[in-house]
Amino acid sequence: GAGVSQTPSNKVTEKGKYVELRCDPISGHTALYWYRQSLGQGPEFLIYFQGTGAADDSGLPNDRFFAVRPEGSVSTLKIQRTERGDSAVYLCASSPARDTEAFFGQGTRLTVV
Amino acid sequence: GNSVTQMEGPVTLSEEAFLTINCTYTATGYPSLFWYVQYPGEGLQLLLKATKADDKGSNKGFEATYRKETTSFHLEKGSVQVSDSAVYFCALIEGGANNLFFGTGTRLTVIP
Repeated sequence: GAGVSQTPSNKVTEKGKYVELRCDPISGHTALYWYRQSLGQGPEFLIYFQGTGAADDSGLPNDRFFAVRPEGSVSTLKIQRTERGDSAVYLCASSPARDTEAFFGQGTRLTVV
Repeated sequence: GNSVTQMEGPVTLSEEAFLTINCTYTATGYPSLFWYVQYPGEGLQLLLKATKADDKGSNKGFEATYRKETTSFHLEKGSVQVSDSAVYFCALIEGGANNLFFGTGTRLTVIP
């Protein structure tokens, strides 16, 4: 596709439920990033993939959060036992390589009620 | 550690006014610096960048100069337009690091 695509654009879920957020990066981009943006804040880093492997997951807040990129393209961010504090916009970005310009998707707005 | 502090908003200006959005940073090494913009309903877009001290990034009439001595990267535009209304984020990445550190964002509204 022309840009980074994230689905769904909006997700409302009940506290305690499991959710999956999907990211389709720009074709050929090997680096993929997940960020979380809370209301009134800048994006905060969650995890970085280089190819299929999670090269840096130091930003994941706890073990309820997990992400995969099994074929080095599409990535899924998984959140177990969601809490109201998980409500935020989850952003995905990709780049041709680390240290090059990152292109962001429009994000998935997650609301936990 | 790394951090980015930027001018709190919101900022409201009349069309053709001069814009400055302040940004200062803390980094352990020699970061690259960026301004990203988020227009209403759109994703974050890179506006401009500078990779070393005294570099000036520029795009769409916006400019920012990497000032190592003051650890600053202030965004300026000489004459803003209504279409510049957006949220602006200052960000940095350390050399060899994996992720961007963002400021909290500054909302700019330009009125005709």
